[in-house]
Amino acid sequence: DVKVTQSSRYLVKRTGEKVFLECVQDMDHENMFWYRQDPGLGLRLIYFSYDVKMKEKGDIPEGYSVSREKKERFSLILESASTNQTSMYLCASSFAEARNQPQHFGDGTRLSIL
Amino acid sequence: SQQGEEDPQALSIQEGENATMNCSYKTSINNLQWYRQNSGRGLVHLILIRSNEREKHSGRLRVTLDTSKKSSSLLITASRAADTASYFCATRSNSGYALNFGKGTSLLVTP
Repeated sequence: DVKVTQSSRYLVKRTGEKVFLECVQDMDHENMFWYRQDPGLGLRLIYFSYDVKMKEKGDIPEGYSVSREKKERFSLILESASTNQTSMYLCASSFAEARNQPQHFGDGTRLSIL
Repeated sequence: SQQGEEDPQALSIQEGENATMNCSYKTSINNLQWYRQNSGRGLVHLILIRSNEREKHSGRLRVTLDTSKKSSSLLITASRAADTASYFCATRSNSGYALNFGKGTSLLVTP
């Protein structure tokens, strides 16, 4: 079974801090994604990566950056955390030619910015 | 950008009944997928239907796709309390890597 592991289930940080959310997958997937999920808004794509060191902006990249130094690891960085970034963050992965393959999700990190 | 819209937003049924959720989308798709999310957890893939397919089954799940109406439905037959979750449709276009998710239907199945 594919396993996507997010480093923290719950995280509390303060405004202005630099925050790192880590995601690791064990299935040699090329594609990795970061979403945030908010009540009433569903899932929105922040960034995705289709290869090591490659990244593409999603729908809401402002205030975030990402890093993909190794194939299995995809990090989401909040450069200077703000209260409006309090949310559930979900990481996902899939194979490169994944048009007819699912995405596999981690259990999410519920991040609170105080 | 979000493309799928699920309907209804919330659904409450009793065990043994069938649950039907609908999804509408706006642009051409390569495939449409349904995911389930239990409270506080990540999403789990349920079923994928390609744009050239009209119906697909997986266990108690039945998915239909009508590309002319840009809509899909997910039917869960003989529902169980364990089916209580949020259900999302997601579309993949013919270009691009990412999925576009709807806002979900919250299903409550009571014993």
